[in-house]
Amino acid sequence: AQSVTQPDIHITVSEGASLELRCNYSYGATPYLFWYVQSPGQGLQLLLKYFSGDTLVQGIKGFEAEFKRSQSSFNLRKPSVHWSDAAEYFCAVGGSNTGNQFYFGTGTSLTVIP
Amino acid sequence: EPEVTQTPSHQVTQMGQEVILRCVPISNHLYFYWYRQILGQKVEFLVSFYNNEISEKSEIFDDQFSVERPDGSNFTLKIRSTKLEDSAMYFCASSDDRGTEAFFGQGTRLTVV
Repeated sequence: AQSVTQPDIHITVSEGASLELRCNYSYGATPYLFWYVQSPGQGLQLLLKYFSGDTLVQGIKGFEAEFKRSQSSFNLRKPSVHWSDAAEYFCAVGGSNTGNQFYFGTGTSLTVIP
Repeated sequence: EPEVTQTPSHQVTQMGQEVILRCVPISNHLYFYWYRQILGQKVEFLVSFYNNEISEKSEIFDDQFSVERPDGSNFTLKIRSTKLEDSAMYFCASSDDRGTEAFFGQGTRLTVV
């Protein structure tokens, strides 16, 4: 069965520091992978997605993620975090190769300190 | 940019009442979904809908829940006889015929009192 694991429940970083949020997935074939961000009281906004091709994908707000098949990972990175990046981040797997169902991880809460 | 819209943004209802959550998916999309997020927990799949019928549903989606596409634009989630534990944020989503990306609405926060 498909599953997504985000091992870090909560991460705190200083503004300007680099960030990496971890995501591991379990799926038999090459999945479609996504990162969503949710600000408090808000909906889910797509940051970036991976379907195929270049394993390093660029997203909005300066985020990027790298698909590593050998590690079944799709970690999210940002070289310099801004205070406005404080939010909940969800990794997801899904799309037409999972019966059009999207599976979410439990989320990582990011706190940014001055 | 096209978007998924949900109404209302916040609904308060008494336990035992029926509620209908409304969604307008992106117009050329063919797959529709409802997800739920209980406060502080992960986003959980409820149901997917394609070609005017449920294509998949989770164990959460029991007889208390139903979905409908009453016309060409709306997609609704009905919760009968609401319970306190139904309090959550409910997200509607839609995707195109390739089903490669889900576009989510802003959510409806349901509070059952």
